[in-house]
Amino acid sequence: SQELEQSPQSLIVQEGKNLTINCTSSKTLYGLYWYKQKYGEGLIFLMMLQKGGEEKSHEKITAKLDEKKQQSSLHITASQPSHAGIYLCGADDTPNTGNQFYFGTGTSLTVIP
Amino acid sequence: DTAVSQTPKYLVTQMGNDKSIKCEQNLGHDTMYWYKQDSKKFLKIMFSYNNKELIINETVPNRFSPKSPDKAHLNLHINSLELGDSAVYFCASSLLPAGGETQYFGPGTRLLVL
Repeated sequence: SQELEQSPQSLIVQEGKNLTINCTSSKTLYGLYWYKQKYGEGLIFLMMLQKGGEEKSHEKITAKLDEKKQQSSLHITASQPSHAGIYLCGADDTPNTGNQFYFGTGTSLTVIP
Repeated sequence: DTAVSQTPKYLVTQMGNDKSIKCEQNLGHDTMYWYKQDSKKFLKIMFSYNNKELIINETVPNRFSPKSPDKAHLNLHINSLELGDSAVYFCASSLLPAGGETQYFGPGTRLLVL
């Protein structure tokens, strides 16, 4: 069965530091999705990656998908307190809308001012 | 043991029908959620209950009504189903209201309205 593992489980960084969160799959993925959990808003969609080697950036957050489409990283540059929250990766392994969708275990990020 | 379970896994129904999706968690969590995932895999929160009390109620048609008989269950009832309701619906739970707590997701219910 498909599994998504995230690491680290929790992360505490000083404001201004860079950090990376990883999401690893046991199978080749069709799509990899990153979400952020904010209080009172549930999950917020950040980015989607579908092509091997793809990289996307939004403001100070960059997500990459490796060539084999089994591992993704989320990199935050010059972290700010507003980046704090729980980051979750999600994935599917076929383009069919009826297939299983998987979630990672989550990474809790604390940014100390 | 399944942490968060949803039934049914698949639901195919005609427009205009009323249907329910059930969610149960055995993690002892106080907070439960319903999300709708669209075709682009965006996850949009619909409702959140903390200890059987509604705490998040996003702009969702009145046809959708959540019910929490106890804190281990959060069911979603949909009246007068429309074509646009077709989506995957995910239930989730967390120990406390979202913010510092990881949410654990159910396997999803794939709803297709014909």
